[in-house]
Amino acid sequence: GAGVSQSPRYKVAKRGQDVALRCDPISGHVSLFWYQQALGQGPEFLTYFQNEAQLDKSGLPSDRFFAERPEGSVSTLKIQRTQQEDSAVYLCASSRRDRGYEQYFGPGTRLTVT
Amino acid sequence: SQKIEQNSEALNIQEGKTATLTCNYTNYSPAYLQWYRQDPGRGPVFLLLIRENEKEKRKERLKVTFDTTLKQSLFHITASQPADSATYLCALDVTQAGTALIFGKGTTLSVSS
Repeated sequence: GAGVSQSPRYKVAKRGQDVALRCDPISGHVSLFWYQQALGQGPEFLTYFQNEAQLDKSGLPSDRFFAERPEGSVSTLKIQRTQQEDSAVYLCASSRRDRGYEQYFGPGTRLTVT
Repeated sequence: SQKIEQNSEALNIQEGKTATLTCNYTNYSPAYLQWYRQDPGRGPVFLLLIRENEKEKRKERLKVTFDTTLKQSLFHITASQPADSATYLCALDVTQAGTALIFGKGTTLSVSS
């Protein structure tokens, strides 16, 4: 079946612009995660949804970052007033359940802030 | 704070040998530990999950061990092939956060023929 998809795959934004990154999880997966991956580093947790409820947003680096999953399927990560330090790959993952299950990752969105 | 160390940034081995990657962690007792493979430009791909009450798990040429006393996991690839060349990430299940996975930086494995 189809895996996790993300769009756009690449995004270039000027500093100060707002961006929206989309994630389509695997159909039926309850859990959805967003991660940020800097070059040469492992993914860093940003936020977690169980269906439409955002249960953990402890990893969001500032109040410029906002995520939603209004109908419990597609999710959007929004970054307002982008800064150069926001440049990274943003990964989305979904899972059948919450703890103890493997996560299926999308290909990521590479964000470059100039 | 939680810290995860993967033994080295890069590991080079010859085809046919066994690759052993190490993941050490501090300040936490994870209920689960997972290993992922990541190729350039792609998202991580799940390989194996091992629970705290399991000492070893195998899948084809892969083997993972989990020693909660040493706070260490070893990941082995036997009869390695050039196609095994990739970055391998270990990840801990962080119960306090609910479901967040904390990833190490990864070890980049290169298998030469």
